[in-house]
Amino acid sequence: DAGVIQSPRHEVTEMGQEVTLRCKPISGHNSLFWYRQTMMRGLELLIYFNNNVPIDDSGMPEDRFSAKMPNASFSTLKIQPSEPRDSAVYFCASSSLGAARNTIYFGEGSWLTVV
Amino acid sequence: AQKVTQAQTEISVVEKEDVTLDCVYETRDTTYYLFWYKQPPSGELVFLIRRNSFDEQNEISGRYSWNFQKSTSSFNFTITASQVVDSAVYFCALSEPGEQDNYGQNFVFGPGTRLSVLP
Repeated sequence: DAGVIQSPRHEVTEMGQEVTLRCKPISGHNSLFWYRQTMMRGLELLIYFNNNVPIDDSGMPEDRFSAKMPNASFSTLKIQPSEPRDSAVYFCASSSLGAARNTIYFGEGSWLTVV
Repeated sequence: AQKVTQAQTEISVVEKEDVTLDCVYETRDTTYYLFWYKQPPSGELVFLIRRNSFDEQNEISGRYSWNFQKSTSSFNFTITASQVVDSAVYFCALSEPGEQDNYGQNFVFGPGTRLSVLP
């Protein structure tokens, strides 16, 4: 079975540009998570969805960040406008609907560099 | 609030040595789940193991073994006869039941331990 699929794997963009990261969760999973990983802060939960509905976006750093999940098999994380401090690895992850016993499975990450 | 501590920031060993990665957690729940993930240099996060709080039996998978001790709130990970391919950052994580809609916040990662296995 395919795992969580993210694109692009790597992106270099100029400050001020819009960045869109994409994610396809594991088929049958109905919880989806966006994490950001930096050296300074480690793994941070940005937002997560249950059944395509955003449950908690308190981890989203600011209004420049937005996430959508229009259907069960697709989600986007958008940064507009991007800034150099947004440079990080962004992970999408999925699990079966929100139970503590359920493992969260991660994609390979999108490595974003904003110059 | 729950918390996961991995006191070892970095560990270096020589190939074939055994190495133990420590994980200490804090929770007020009696039911919870513990996880280990591996992040190799290529960057992906790979799930290794999940244990529930009612199962304290140690688990062995090849060269990997896990020691869960509720008395010390620890879930340590040992690699026997380490290999260069074991070089990675290893994350311990804790999940508490809570409300279904709190699941995201209730899944907490430790800061990670970077393991370098030298040839």
